[in-house]
Amino acid sequence: QSALTQPASVSGSPGQSITISCTGTSSDVGGYNYVSWYQQYPGKAPKLMIYEVSNRPSGVSNRFSGSKSGNTASLTISGLQAEDEADYYCSSYTSSSTLVVFGGGTKLTVL
Amino acid sequence: QVQLVESGGGVVQPGRSLRLSCAASGFTFSSYGMHWVRQAPGKGLEWVAVISYDGSNKYYADSVKGRFSISRDNSKNTLYLQMNSLRAEDTAVYYCAKPRGAWGDYPRGILDYWGQGSLVTVSS
Repeated sequence: QSALTQPASVSGSPGQSITISCTGTSSDVGGYNYVSWYQQYPGKAPKLMIYEVSNRPSGVSNRFSGSKSGNTASLTISGLQAEDEADYYCSSYTSSSTLVVFGGGTKLTVL
Repeated sequence: QVQLVESGGGVVQPGRSLRLSCAASGFTFSSYGMHWVRQAPGKGLEWVAVISYDGSNKYYADSVKGRFSISRDNSKNTLYLQMNSLRAEDTAVYYCAKPRGAWGDYPRGILDYWGQGSLVTVSS
């Protein structure tokens, strides 16, 4: 069982917006602003999409945004495009001895 | 540009050992902590280990603690993962990953560059 909880799947139509949640505890998501989001296509390495809850690396579309409330972080993708269909993972720093935890991943399907 | 190239994967019997390497280029390797992350076939990402920029601090996932060892050679710009007492559940693609920030930023786990991965299969 993953330390952070994500929905297994979400879907949306082109042009719509979707939100993926990532629920942790006060020892990780809720306690620190070190939540990251990654996009992964099948057979490829993950790509950093959001860091420190809401910051976008250079080159990432502004259709991707992040937020946090309490122990739950969220990734929102607006103006869905076919190319957004991928797996998305959240991660967080944790005060436990392991330092970093990932969510179980969410498969996004663009209908 | 930043490049991370893993090597050393393959098929190994349960209980045996294997060492992965990650050759880094395009950035000042000795200024960055480095991470290993793995992904079992059809499963999600699992953080494995991290080492500080100078090798003085190391942290591990509970699932590998006592069996895996992370190390680095800054003179060769290379990261290593020594895997002992391998189990079937260690079968995965292993990625090395660079954190976004240098020096003491590595614990935050913000990974901005990843290698292509190296497949380790533990099977008899």
